[in-house]
Order: sequence, then C-alpha cells, then structure tokens
Amino acid sequence: SQTIHQWPATLVQPVGSPLSLECTVEGTSNPNLYWYRQAAGRGLQLLFYSVGIGQISSEVPQNLSASRPQDRQFILSSKKLLLSDSGFYLCAWSVLPPGEQFFGPGTRLTVL
Amino acid sequence: QQQVKQSPQSLIVQKGGISIINCAYENTAFDYFPWYQQFPGKGPALLIAIRPDVSEKKEGRFTISFNKSAKQFSLHIMDSQPGDSATYFCAASKGKGNKLVFGAGTILRVKS
Repeated sequence: SQTIHQWPATLVQPVGSPLSLECTVEGTSNPNLYWYRQAAGRGLQLLFYSVGIGQISSEVPQNLSASRPQDRQFILSSKKLLLSDSGFYLCAWSVLPPGEQFFGPGTRLTVL
Repeated sequence: QQQVKQSPQSLIVQKGGISIINCAYENTAFDYFPWYQQFPGKGPALLIAIRPDVSEKKEGRFTISFNKSAKQFSLHIMDSQPGDSATYFCAASKGKGNKLVFGAGTILRVKS
C-alpha cells in the first residue's frame, strides 16, 4: 500500500532563516506530487506541483521553491523565511487515472 | 472561472441529524469532484468523490449529490455523529496533473 511521509512534523524558525521540508512517497511509481499551504482556519493553497523528476510548476509567486530530485521525493525550500510563511504545509500525491489526491500528515511551520 | 465556492462556512448539527454542505463551480471542464475531511492538526483525508456522469454517489452515511446543469454538488452526512466534527473541503479538477481547486472549507460541529 502507498504511504506518504513528511518531516519534520513541526518547525519553529526565525525570520530570515532557510527552510527545507521533505516529502517522500512509498508504494507507487511516477506519482504527481503537490505542495499546499494552509493558513490557520483557512483553505488549501496549491504552491507547487510536479508530474516528474525535475518538472516543477509554480502556482503562486513567492519566496518559496520546490525541487524533485527523485521520483518519489519532493522538497520545499526557502532561502529566507518571512513571517507570512507560517502555516501548515501539506504534501500530496496522485496517480493517473483517476487522480485521487492523498495527503501527508503535514508540517506545522511557525516563523518568529 | 477556476473557483469552487463552498457554503456554509460553519455548521452546527444535532447528533442524528443531517449535515448538508454545498459547493458550486464555474468551469465546465471540471470532471472530478472529491470531498475531503480534515481533523485538527491532520492532513485532509479523501472521503468520497464523484464524476459528472452520475447524479448521486453514496458510501455509508455520506452521499454526494451532483447537479451538472446547475454546476453544483453537495455532501450529505446522514445520522451525523460527534465524531464527524471536522472541516470538510469540496474540490474539483480537470486535465493532466490533476490539480485540485479547493473550496474554502466548512467547519462542522455535531452536538451530542
């Protein structure tokens, strides 16, 4: 069966520090991978998605970036965090067809 | 045209009652409509999904009703239980990559 892992589970970082969040998927090949951000009490904002290694599409201009160095690994990064980067970061995967997306447990990021 | 509008924002239902959450979309190219359930601090979990070639889909106490002409779909939770208290998101997608467009979410509280 497929599983998705995210780490760390929680993170507290100062403004201006770098960020690296990792997501890995097990039990499937060539998945589509997604990064979402959820602000407190808000909906889900798609940040990046990837249909293959090295293929990244950005949905929202921001100071975050994503990379997919391996088929089942998706990394979210920032060189300098802003206060507004605080939130709940969710990784998700899907395969075609039919396209159901499955979410990971999330990373709670607090920027102080 | 990419939006999915969800209502109500919050909902309080008595135990045993019916919870109804509604969503509307504009883009007729959407061809997949899932609902997600999210508990505090957890990633969203796929609850039930429907395609536009059917008008209703039922799984246990959860039913999706789909009105293609009105471009609306809704989630009905029968015999609502306190354990159903969560945030519910509707979503829609089309095309390659299966990018989901999410509604803003509905916070459901079932009173015992």
